[in-house]
Amino acid sequence: AQKVTQAQTEISVVEKEDVTLDCVYETRDTTYYLFWYKQPPSGELVFLIRRNSFDEQNEISGRYSWNFQKSTSSFNFTITASQVVDSAVYFCALSEGRDTGNQFYFGTGTSLTVIP
Amino acid sequence: GAVVSQHPSWVICKSGTSVKIECRSLDFQATTMFWYRQFPKQSLMLMATSNEGSKATYEQGVEKDKFLINHASLTLSTLTVTSAHPEDSSFYICSARLRGVRRETQYFGPGTRLLVL
Repeated sequence: AQKVTQAQTEISVVEKEDVTLDCVYETRDTTYYLFWYKQPPSGELVFLIRRNSFDEQNEISGRYSWNFQKSTSSFNFTITASQVVDSAVYFCALSEGRDTGNQFYFGTGTSLTVIP
Repeated sequence: GAVVSQHPSWVICKSGTSVKIECRSLDFQATTMFWYRQFPKQSLMLMATSNEGSKATYEQGVEKDKFLINHASLTLSTLTVTSAHPEDSSFYICSARLRGVRRETQYFGPGTRLLVL
């Protein structure tokens, strides 16, 4: 079974629109970590945010915000006032367990295209 | 901080040759490094987990003799694709896990694109 599901394969928005990328995860562990990474066309994965399972406080960082809801096993990512430079593939990832030398479970990614 | 480099960024080689890819953590010590493979428009697939000073742990379906991993120091891991064939053409990405605090986060290298002719 897929541990991390990103149902949106591709999204296109017009510049300055807000966009939300969905992520649903599955785990039986009580301690786990959730991540979002951005992969621009160059290929390098850029770390955006990490959340642990005990911290449900939502976070805003500039134009980015994250909504973590354990009740629905979701960790959604919103970009406000999108820009062309936001065009990239965004991956949600899950790491289980207290000692996370563990592997990441990546979602299949959401390709975001921001149209000027 | 937490910068990971990979070398080379691009490799084009003939079928049958071996290719070595280096992954370095530049400003931190990495007890664990991971090697991933990514095909176009697909997600990352974990190939192996590499711990400094010990043998790598390979994921099911990944040939150990084909993809040799050496983690010689806390800042360097290498992946050698032996006798490469066209089906090995892919984007190879390494990541490193910090030693100590924030060790749950993986920091990724820029990737190496391998094309086997």
